[in-house]
Amino acid sequence: DTGVSQNPRHKITKRGQNVTFRCDPISEHNRLYWYRQTLGQGPEFLTYFQNEAQLEKSRLLSDRFSAERPKGSFSTLEIQRTEQGDSAMYLCASSPRDRESGYTFGSGTRLTVV
Amino acid sequence: DAKTTQPPSMDCAEGRAANLPCNHSTISGNEYVYWYRQIHSQGPQYIIHGLKNNETNEMASLIITEDRKSSTLILPHATLRDTAVYYCIVRPRNAGGTSYGKLTFGQGTILTVHP
Repeated sequence: DTGVSQNPRHKITKRGQNVTFRCDPISEHNRLYWYRQTLGQGPEFLTYFQNEAQLEKSRLLSDRFSAERPKGSFSTLEIQRTEQGDSAMYLCASSPRDRESGYTFGSGTRLTVV
Repeated sequence: DAKTTQPPSMDCAEGRAANLPCNHSTISGNEYVYWYRQIHSQGPQYIIHGLKNNETNEMASLIITEDRKSSTLILPHATLRDTAVYYCIVRPRNAGGTSYGKLTFGQGTILTVHP
């Protein structure tokens, strides 16, 4: 297990299409986070899972966004009816139960909506 | 969460120490200071964190002032590969309630290490 894996690395989609991203966290990490990052800005929090439970969602996560983490392992982030404003880097991070531990981030999925 | 203030950019010569400041004047007693960096086209990377004592690891040192209102990240011998955006983040220690220890990123400091 070499870290947090995100797929795909890049996704180009037409406006109005649905897209789904996958995140595979470090296997022993029970906490999983999704962030979004636009050019020149720091990452913005989207949602958080502890095991399979989604415990927090940002107001940034509109009704078109949904995230799941079945069985507390990998997670998916789906965007329905994509808009050009959804173009961004989507980052996944995981951390162990220890509240002090730093996150381990994946390399992200870069979404371009045309 | 307490907010942090960082200079937008800094330069450093290769081989010299890079000292990155961060102001967190509204930090509370139960909040840690974390540092992450992000190299172009990669996800952020954890560097170090501390509560009130100075900390050192294989990557960097963290100096926190006695009043905890500011801190400095020190890269002792900067290399070209240390060119990145460096984020200083304050995070609750007891991440219960709705925060769950989530990290709130600002815009960070762009550190450029030049030959």
